[in-house]
Amino acid sequence: EDKVVQSPLSLVVHEGDTVTLNCSYEVTNFRSLLWYKQEKKAPTFLFMLTSSGIEKKSGRLSSILDKKELSSILNITATQTGDSAIYLCAVGFGNEKLTFGTGTRLTIIP
Amino acid sequence: ETGVTQSPTHLIKTRGQQVTLRCSSQSGHNTVSWYQQALGQGPQFIFQYYREEENGRGNFPPRFSGLQFPNYSSELNVNALELDDSALYLCASSLFYNEQFFGPGTRLTVL
Repeated sequence: EDKVVQSPLSLVVHEGDTVTLNCSYEVTNFRSLLWYKQEKKAPTFLFMLTSSGIEKKSGRLSSILDKKELSSILNITATQTGDSAIYLCAVGFGNEKLTFGTGTRLTIIP
Repeated sequence: ETGVTQSPTHLIKTRGQQVTLRCSSQSGHNTVSWYQQALGQGPQFIFQYYREEENGRGNFPPRFSGLQFPNYSSELNVNALELDDSALYLCASSLFYNEQFFGPGTRLTVL
């Protein structure tokens, strides 16, 4: 059975800090790894990673996949209160199921 | 471009009742997936529809059923509701090999 584990489960930091969220996976047929941000209800798409070692970047957020280590990290620099959310990691593909981790709850203190 | 929409936003039912949740996919997307998210957990895959056919199913009992219509919108039906069915139900649409985009969800409470 496919498995996705995220760490830490919860993180509290001050505004301006840099955070690193971790995701590891065990799947039988890896296609891609996705990161989502969930603030209230709808998870919003952040990144989709398919190739190892290639960093994807969007503003202060960046993510990289390590297929050898079966893991990915999500970095957020210069955090803001608007970054407070649950960050979900999932493995899967558009035409297949996504298997999610439990998520990391990030709280940014002003 | 219209995003994924879901209705209703909230729903309260009692044990044993039946419920239908609706989802309109993002314009141009032909695949719809349904997920159940219990409190404090990540979303769990229920099933997926591609061009009106079921295209994969998670570990959910047969009382969870679905439909996809020619316009790619979809319904999730749950019969004989149980207390544990209380959750946020998320619909996601995608275009084959691309990322899935989620709707705002339906919060179902079973009393």
